[in-house]
Amino acid sequence: GEDVEQSLFLSVREGDSSVINCTYTDSSSTYLYWYKQEPGAGLQLLTYIFSNMDMKQDQRLTVLLNKKDKHLSLRIADTQTGDSAIYFCAESMGGGADGLTFGKGTHLIIQP
Amino acid sequence: GAVVSQHPSWVICKSGTSVKIECRSLDFQATTMFWYRQFPKQSLMLMATSNEGSKATYEQGVEKDKFLINHASLTLSTLTVTSAHPEDSSFYICSASTGGGLNEQFFGPGTRLTVL
Repeated sequence: GEDVEQSLFLSVREGDSSVINCTYTDSSSTYLYWYKQEPGAGLQLLTYIFSNMDMKQDQRLTVLLNKKDKHLSLRIADTQTGDSAIYFCAESMGGGADGLTFGKGTHLIIQP
Repeated sequence: GAVVSQHPSWVICKSGTSVKIECRSLDFQATTMFWYRQFPKQSLMLMATSNEGSKATYEQGVEKDKFLINHASLTLSTLTVTSAHPEDSSFYICSASTGGGLNEQFFGPGTRLTVL
């Protein structure tokens, strides 16, 4: 069955880079996503990567995909206090009718 | 844009009663809506997928007679937890999709259900 794994916590200093890792098991995933969850708010799509891509960069965010190892990472450059949240990795077979399979989420803690 | 609301944001009910949770897409039409359940420190687990005007598709292990889903319009889906019991206490989250290859889903803020 499908399974998505993430570490539960990551602590970084303000200004440093944060790297959040995720592994998945379903090699037929079409899209892989990173969602951000802040207290009291719905999950917000941060970025996504199509399965035939290796890397995607969007301002401070860099997504790396190693399809052979089924490993996905999210790098946040120059981490700020406003980046403090829970980050979820998710996968989908693609198509608008598919539910997403989520990891348990990584709680990013920013130290001053 | 692409805002999804849920109502109520939290609810406490007695064991044996039924609770209805609403999910609305406020500024777009959602061809598909999804219902997820999240336990503390756990991932979101997909419960069911619903398309407007048709019966919901439930994931394995989810009782369709207990979790009734109605998707009567392109902007509203409801989840009714029937004869709720303490083990149904959880955080219920809906999402709405406009369809398309990316499958971008817009999530509601969630509803915290506590069954006494």
